[in-house]
This record gives sequence, structure tokens and C-alpha cells, in this order.
Amino acid sequence: DIQMTQSPSSLSASVGDTVTIPCRASQGISSYLAWYQHKPGKVPRLLIYAASTLQSGVPSRFRGSGSGTDFTLTISSLQPEDVATYYCQKYNSAWTFGQGTKVEIK
Amino acid sequence: QVQLQESGPGLVKPSETLSLTCTVSGGSVSSGSYYWSWIRQPPGKGLEWIGYIYYSGSTNHNPSLKSRVTISVDTSKNQFSLKLSSVTAADTAVYYCARGYYYDSSYYPPGDWGQGTLVTVSS
Repeated sequence: DIQMTQSPSSLSASVGDTVTIPCRASQGISSYLAWYQHKPGKVPRLLIYAASTLQSGVPSRFRGSGSGTDFTLTISSLQPEDVATYYCQKYNSAWTFGQGTKVEIK
Repeated sequence: QVQLQESGPGLVKPSETLSLTCTVSGGSVSSGSYYWSWIRQPPGKGLEWIGYIYYSGSTNHNPSLKSRVTISVDTSKNQFSLKLSSVTAADTAVYYCARGYYYDSSYYPPGDWGQGTLVTVSS
């Protein structure tokens, strides 16, 4: 089974900072990688699919990059409403989610 | 705008079968452009994929759940369902139904989700 690893499990940054969230696959998954934002008490929101394609309606400050085994979600100019847990997910064949990275404001 | 709504018992006894239904409005489960999935989140933990179904009946599910999972579609009611047998406390979670786009033999990650329903496994 392919494992998805997200580290760190949490991070803290200031409003306006650029935040990078890494995700690593234990084997190559091409670009079958999605990112979700999940706020407490809310429904998970699809941000990015195919590693770098922005879902409709998602602010352009969210950017995805990478292919193969190493991927990154970048949030440019962090906003208070971006406080959430971010999950990566591989979706070729069997799906697997990463453990999540919780983003907080300093 | 599609809407998905989960329904079913909020409390299930250990060893019994968990049964949930997702009612779809503003879209059709018979559409060849979409597929229908179940995802869950145990308390304090991350998201876990359960499985998905395409209107044709083609399914795929999490190998870790082995043969306990059954996902089906009821086109007459515009619903799809999840059955998880032999449940234990480890199956306590918020269960989400979701819709993803299907195109050119590819299942794109789900962009439309239900609000989720908490199912507790306890005697």
C-alpha cells in the first residue's frame, strides 16, 4: 500500500506569511494528488487536484506543486480564515489521505 | 447546485451493521459524469476513504475495511448507500457522502460533500 506522509502535523505562521505544507508518497503517484482544507465543524473543501489544478472558486493564494513522490501546498499571504487542517490525498486506484497538517495563526 | 444529505442511525451496537443513505438533490445518481463516495473521520483523527460507486455499479473500496463494506445505488430514489458490517468502537466516526467528477475513465477527487453524520458504535 502507498502511504502518504504529512509532516509537520502542525505549524504556526503570521498573517501575510507564505506557508508551505509538504506531502510525500511512499511510491510514485504521478500527479494523482489532491489537497483539502478542513475547518472544525465544517465540510472538507477540495482545493487542488491533479497536484496543481485549482478547484473552481478557490482563492489564487493557494497553489499546489510537485509530481511523483513529493508535493507541496503553498498558501501565499496567509489569512485568518485559512486556519484549518490541510490534507493531501492520493486518488489513483485506492485512495489514501495524509495525516493532516494543522495551520494556526501566531 | 447539488446537495447531498446523509441519514441513518446515530447509534449502532457492536457486531451489528451500520447502514447509511445519502440522498442527492439537484443532480442525478444516474449521471455518467459523476461517481459517489463515502469518507469518514473518527473523533480526533484524520480523514479515511471508505469507497465509491459509479452509476453502472462499478465499485472500489478501502482494502483495510476488507469485505465489511457494501456500497450501492438506488436510482429510483436518487440515493446511494453504505453498509458496514461487524462494527466495533473503531468505526465510530463522522461519515460523509460526496460526489466526484468522472471523466475519461478517471475518478477526480470529490468536490461536493454532505454535511456529515456522526455514528457512534456502543452497546
